[in-house]
Amino acid sequence: QVTLKESGPALVKPTQTLTLTCTLSGLSPSTVGMRASWIRQPPGKALEWLARIDWDDDKVYSTSLRSRLTISKDTSKNQVVLTMTNMDPGDTATYYCARERSGSMDVWGQGTTVTVSS
Amino acid sequence: QSALTQPASVSGSPGQSITISCTGTSSDVGSYNLVSWYQQHPDKAPKLLIYEGIKRPSGVSDRFSGSKSGNTASLTISGLQAEDDADYYCCSYAGGRTLIFGGGTKLTVL
Repeated sequence: QVTLKESGPALVKPTQTLTLTCTLSGLSPSTVGMRASWIRQPPGKALEWLARIDWDDDKVYSTSLRSRLTISKDTSKNQVVLTMTNMDPGDTATYYCARERSGSMDVWGQGTTVTVSS
Repeated sequence: QSALTQPASVSGSPGQSITISCTGTSSDVGSYNLVSWYQQHPDKAPKLLIYEGIKRPSGVSDRFSGSKSGNTASLTISGLQAEDDADYYCCSYAGGRTLIFGGGTKLTVL
């Protein structure tokens, strides 16, 4: 059974860097064909796709957030990591990781809520 | 890159059918057969309903169906049930190998 679980700080201060971890179970981020994405959802608002990393370390970022995002994987820990710099209260959201196949997210983590406040 | 356009809300009575539209551009919905649809209940993670525009994952009811015409994709739910009361999002492959979501539609089952 494939599962993903996000973890990270619940509260960060403005201008700080956020680091989120997605721990995979039942698959490895280096398995041929594996693709993982990060998606976020501000309270009461729509989903927003952020970034993707492939098994071969190919990376793609949201056009609007590209300058602030870095996605990576740690195969030894079975994890995918997302960092977002210069956090702002507008970045308050639930952040999800998901397995991506054929342009769709078929397995989602439970999400982790991040609040940006001083 | 603007979000795909969905109606903010739709409603229907149990047993009826409803359709949710998702309008994009020739750079996203119109260019790829890679539209997906998600159902999200309050405080839950989204659930995949439709992928590649028309395909259903194993375990998803055949009451859910997808279609596309030009730059607009659609999700139809037939035989509405109380548990269908949720938010629905479309998503499309877009330029630069990115993905773009719609603004979401709140479905109310009356």
